[in-house]
Amino acid sequence: GAVVSQHPSRVICKSGTSVKIECRSLDFQATTMFWYRQFPKQSLMLMATSNEGSKATYEQGVEKDKFLINHASLTLSTLTVTSAHPEDSSFYICSAYEAGRSYNSPLHFGNGTRLTVT
Amino acid sequence: GENVEQHPSTLSVQEGDSAVIKCTYSDSASNYFPWYKQELGKRPQLIIDIRSNVGEKKDQRIAVTLNKTAKHFSLHITETQPEDSAVYFCAASISGNTPLVFGKGTRLSVIA
Repeated sequence: GAVVSQHPSRVICKSGTSVKIECRSLDFQATTMFWYRQFPKQSLMLMATSNEGSKATYEQGVEKDKFLINHASLTLSTLTVTSAHPEDSSFYICSAYEAGRSYNSPLHFGNGTRLTVT
Repeated sequence: GENVEQHPSTLSVQEGDSAVIKCTYSDSASNYFPWYKQELGKRPQLIIDIRSNVGEKKDQRIAVTLNKTAKHFSLHITETQPEDSAVYFCAASISGNTPLVFGKGTRLSVIA
């Protein structure tokens, strides 16, 4: 089945530094990828929609200059958390549909990245 | 935009009993309704989904019902087992290239 590979699975960084998270679709093409954030004991909240070859679309309240998204190919999207602060500590999960998918194809999730900012 | 409400937030059942989780949605254009199970520290796992052209779908001990007129859908787990303990999320979207909007989740505890 379709696999979304996300790295790293865990990262600890110091406040003020930047962290890059990669999301790859391994056996399918993804023109669109979605980035979610999940705080402890809360739901998954959509941060942004990443579109191959164009600018990402950010949800209200998500700072586009802080959460940089690049979707340079049909199989790779990256999320960079710039100048990270402790309040950015969260579980970040990417997801994607298969491009040209059939009507019944589900949304595929990566394994998530646990970010801890000290 | 779409808003998904989920109830209850926590649910405890005895092993072997049934569990029911309910969700409502606001956007009448939504027509895809998946349910996910998430264990601590892991990604959500799709357990069942339903589309608006059907009212009910069943997969072994798990079933989902959909009432498009009332804009609500429910997850039913029968003969619950301790390994069913997890957080369950409902979601909704418009089929196509649109993201899922999630409910707030239900923490299910199955007591042996």
